[in-house]
Amino acid sequence: AQSVTQLDSQVPVFEEAPVELRCNYSSSVSVYLFWYVQYPNQGLQLLLKYLSGSTLVKGINGFEAEFNKSQTSFHLRKPSVHISDTAEYFCAVVYTGTASKLTFGTGTRLQVTL
Amino acid sequence: DAGITQSPRHKVTETGTPVTLRCHQTENHRYMYWYRQDPGHGLRLIHYSYGVKDTDKGEVSDGYSVSRSKTEDFLLTLESATSSQTSVYFCAISESSGSGGYNEQFFGPGTRLTVL
Repeated sequence: AQSVTQLDSQVPVFEEAPVELRCNYSSSVSVYLFWYVQYPNQGLQLLLKYLSGSTLVKGINGFEAEFNKSQTSFHLRKPSVHISDTAEYFCAVVYTGTASKLTFGTGTRLQVTL
Repeated sequence: DAGITQSPRHKVTETGTPVTLRCHQTENHRYMYWYRQDPGHGLRLIHYSYGVKDTDKGEVSDGYSVSRSKTEDFLLTLESATSSQTSVYFCAISESSGSGGYNEQFFGPGTRLTVL
């Protein structure tokens, strides 16, 4: 079965420190990859996406992610986090040929403190 | 922001009662989706629609039905609510690409449903 794994359910980090949120997916067939952010009591907002082309993808709010096909990974990174980055982050995959259906990971709670 | 509204935003109901959640869009997008969000599970697809009167099941469709009689509205019905259906429900929309590519899904604000 197709699946997305976010191994870290919570990641605590100090403000201005770098962070990496990990995401692995289950298949090596063609995929589209996404990171969404959810602030408290809000819906999901797209941070960035990989559809094709360059494997390093830049998104909003200074986030970037790198697609690694051989390792079936799409890790999210930010070189210096802010308190305002505290939120839940979801990795999601569309396996081509599945009518654009998103498969989500279980989420990683990023907690930024002073 | 994409024009997506969900109603109600909060609802408390009792086991065994029917519940209908509404998703309304003003974007004229072809595809509409219903997800539920639960701790430790992320978001899981319940049902989706690829056009008026065209719907299909998702990953967790048991106990749910949907209807789409107009492009702008997608209804999710719990025929007889159970406590296991306590969750936050999100609607999403995306437009048809027409080119075989992928179109981004835009999410509504969510409905928090509690079944006692």
